[in-house]
Amino acid sequence: AQSVTQLDSQVPVFEEAPVELRCNYSSSVSVYLFWYVQYPNQGLQLLLKYLSGSTLVKGINGFEAEFNKSQTSFHLRKPSVHISDTAEYFCAVRRVPNSGGSNYKLTFGKGTLLTVNP
Amino acid sequence: SQTIHQWPATLVQPVGSPLSLECTVEGTSNPNLYWYRQAAGRGLQLLFYSVGIGQISSEVPQNLSASRPQDRQFILSSKKLLLSDSGFYLCAWSHNTEAFFGQGTRLTVV
Repeated sequence: AQSVTQLDSQVPVFEEAPVELRCNYSSSVSVYLFWYVQYPNQGLQLLLKYLSGSTLVKGINGFEAEFNKSQTSFHLRKPSVHISDTAEYFCAVRRVPNSGGSNYKLTFGKGTLLTVNP
Repeated sequence: SQTIHQWPATLVQPVGSPLSLECTVEGTSNPNLYWYRQAAGRGLQLLFYSVGIGQISSEVPQNLSASRPQDRQFILSSKKLLLSDSGFYLCAWSHNTEAFFGQGTRLTVV
């Protein structure tokens, strides 16, 4: 089974500062990795995904993430945040198809609340 | 393009009343469908998933049930709501990679 750990439940930062939201995962098989953003009372929106290839993945809204297989991490970064980035961010993993076992489920971390202050 | 519709957006129901939340997907066929519940500070809990019509897998024992009467329709139900059923319910669909989420239903059981 897979598991996801988001190391920080809350991250407060000032506007225009850089931010890193940390995500570590555990899995005995190859996985796909995702970051989602959730604004209050809305569904989850995909920020970016790692399926294969380059380990540095760029997403929407200026976010990027780097897959590190040896450290089983997929940290999310943004060089300069805006007030509008205030939201909850979720890291998720999913087994690669045909890697053994069911790959129907996405496993989510508990989320990191990013608060951007003026 | 694919879209997912979930309704209602908010719902206030008395304890002991029935529940029916509906989710439909457009623009794709044979999707995997999911119901998640989100409680404050506890992340997303997978309640049910379905890989085909009439095929439902339950992740946790609870007061809820799910059905998939058509390929792109997923329904979450309860015969008698409990206070603990309050939360934010999210429907999602996927094929083999990312999942796409509906806008959610805020359920308050009073």
